[in-house]
Amino acid sequence: DAKTTQPTSMDCAEGRAANLPCNHSTISGNEYVYWYRQIHSQGPQYIIHGLKNNETNEMASLIITEDRKSSTLILPHATLRDTAVYYCIVLTGTASKLTFGTGTRLQVTL
Amino acid sequence: EPEVTQTPSHQVTQMGQEVILRCVPISNHLYFYWYRQILGQKVEFLVSFYNNEISEKSEIFDDQFSVERPDGSNFTLKIRSTKLEDSAMYFCASTLRLVTNEKLFFGSGTQLSVL
Repeated sequence: DAKTTQPTSMDCAEGRAANLPCNHSTISGNEYVYWYRQIHSQGPQYIIHGLKNNETNEMASLIITEDRKSSTLILPHATLRDTAVYYCIVLTGTASKLTFGTGTRLQVTL
Repeated sequence: EPEVTQTPSHQVTQMGQEVILRCVPISNHLYFYWYRQILGQKVEFLVSFYNNEISEKSEIFDDQFSVERPDGSNFTLKIRSTKLEDSAMYFCASTLRLVTNEKLFFGSGTQLSVL
């Protein structure tokens, strides 16, 4: 599975959009970009995933560049409850396991 | 939304003792996993389980570890003789299929403390 690079930490004001970047320059054609998050001491939680096209669900939007070498997770209106570590993971669609990196620690502040 | 449930939430044991961590995956799911997270470190894959057998395991998952699905609902992780370094949060996860658009559902974890 391709390696990903994320900033260690980010801050965001409550109510503003949080834009979390991820670099995955070695991604291959059949690999998907997945995002999970882990709120303090809880189990990881799935957010969204995509292959080529931008995706949106009730939690977030995922923007993938045309060359697929990077992506951005967007939380449109961050709340305090979005404070968590966000993991960008690249893997094939039938991968049997997730490999977590260190992620981005997002702190949402008043 | 359906949930993966784990019991107990906290487990304290003496070094050398056996522990069993219990999980109830989502009822129609077919693939089951254990992950662990040592305090301050990454979430690490331990083992995946499908059709009553291990499908993949990591180097961490040595002979001291075993998994079992003793009935139609429970999925357990046993550590035969615990060591201090087994102290971690253990997460169970499940998914319905290994295809695109499937997501892993994680439980809230069992905090294991080995003294």
